[in-house]
Parts: sequence; structure tokens; C-alpha cells
Amino acid sequence: GENVEQHPSTLSVQEGDSAVIKCTYSDSASNYFPWYKQELGKRPQLIIDIRSNVGEKKDQRIAVTLNKTAKHFSLHITETQPEDSAVYFCAARVLIQGAQKLVFGQGTRLTINP
Amino acid sequence: GAVVSQHPSWVICKSGTSVKIECRSLDFQATTMFWYRQFPKQSLMLMATSNEGSKATYEQGVEKDKFLINHASLTLSTLTVTSAHPEDSSFYICSASGSQGGNQPQHFGDGTRLSIL
Repeated sequence: GENVEQHPSTLSVQEGDSAVIKCTYSDSASNYFPWYKQELGKRPQLIIDIRSNVGEKKDQRIAVTLNKTAKHFSLHITETQPEDSAVYFCAARVLIQGAQKLVFGQGTRLTINP
Repeated sequence: GAVVSQHPSWVICKSGTSVKIECRSLDFQATTMFWYRQFPKQSLMLMATSNEGSKATYEQGVEKDKFLINHASLTLSTLTVTSAHPEDSSFYICSASGSQGGNQPQHFGDGTRLSIL
């Protein structure tokens, strides 16, 4: 079945610097890759997503890139701010037993140092 | 748009009690709802997928008699943890999608923190 690996597990950057989180997936049939931000004790919030027919997508300070050949996708956050501190999860959507499901990575705890 | 409401947000109860958690889509019709479980500092683990009007599909290792799921309408799904025990303590989160099989983005509820004494 689909396996999503996420790295690093923790990431600490200086405010204003960029942060990059990487994920790899195993199922070449996966066609949708969302990124979620989860603050402590709260719901995961969709921050950006990308479909398999696109190589890159940008939304203000956040961008996601997808390399279908290598089966990896990355989240880029530029000009980081303290409020970017949270746990970030990548996911890949797969078809399992006739149903579309999300398989999540292990999460990255991002800390922005003032 | 795409708001998902989950209640209660926090439950503390004695061992052996059954607990019901509700998940509602407030501004869209959720043909598919998902129930996840999240342990501290871990990722989200899918427990089951439910489509409106049909039986839920459980992931391997999830006891269907322990975690009863009902998706009777396009805006409401419930998860009942029956005869809960301390090992059932966890953060339970639902998500909803506006298309069959979850082909649209999933939007999450606020989660329910369940503590069994």
C-alpha cells in the first residue's frame, strides 16, 4: 500500500529565513497531495495542495513542488514568522479498495525562533 | 466555507462508559466522512471511512464493534466508542469531503479529546 515518508521530524529556523519540508510517496497512482498545519490541540488546517498534473503551486509565502518521476513533493515557507510555528503534515491521496483515502506523513514540528 | 463542526471537544469519563462524538458539515453536503485517531506527537491514523447511507469501511486493526459509526445524513456522522477503556484515550478527529470517495479536499473538525479514567 501507499507509504508516505516525511522529513525532517523537527525543524528550527530563524525568523525571516526559509523552511523546507520534504515528503516521498510510494504509490505512483497517487494524484493529490495536500499539506496541513496543526497547532497544538487544534484541527489540521489545509494550507496548500497540489494535483499530479501540476509541478508547482504558490500561495503568498507558501509553495509546494511536486516531482512525479521521483515521487516526492516539498513544502516551502519563505520569510518565516513566529505564527508559522506548528506541526506540518503532508499527505498523499490513494485509491484503496475502491475508496479515495489520505495517507499522512509522520509530521514535522516547525519552530520559528524570533 | 467548508466548515466542519465536531462535538464534544473534550470528554472525561469512567471506564466502561460509551461515548458518542458528532461531526457535522455546516455549509456543504458531506458525502464522505473520515474518522481519525491521533496519539500525542504522532500522525493521524485513519480509523474508518463512511459514505452517507451505507456502512462504514474500517481500516485494518480497528474493531467495528468497538467504534460504531453512523452516517445517516449528508451533514452528520457519529462515532460511538463503546465500553471505553483507558487505552481508548486519544484525540479523535473527523473530516468531511463533498464528494463520493473523498475526491475533494478534506476539511477537519476541531477534534475530541477523550480521556478515560
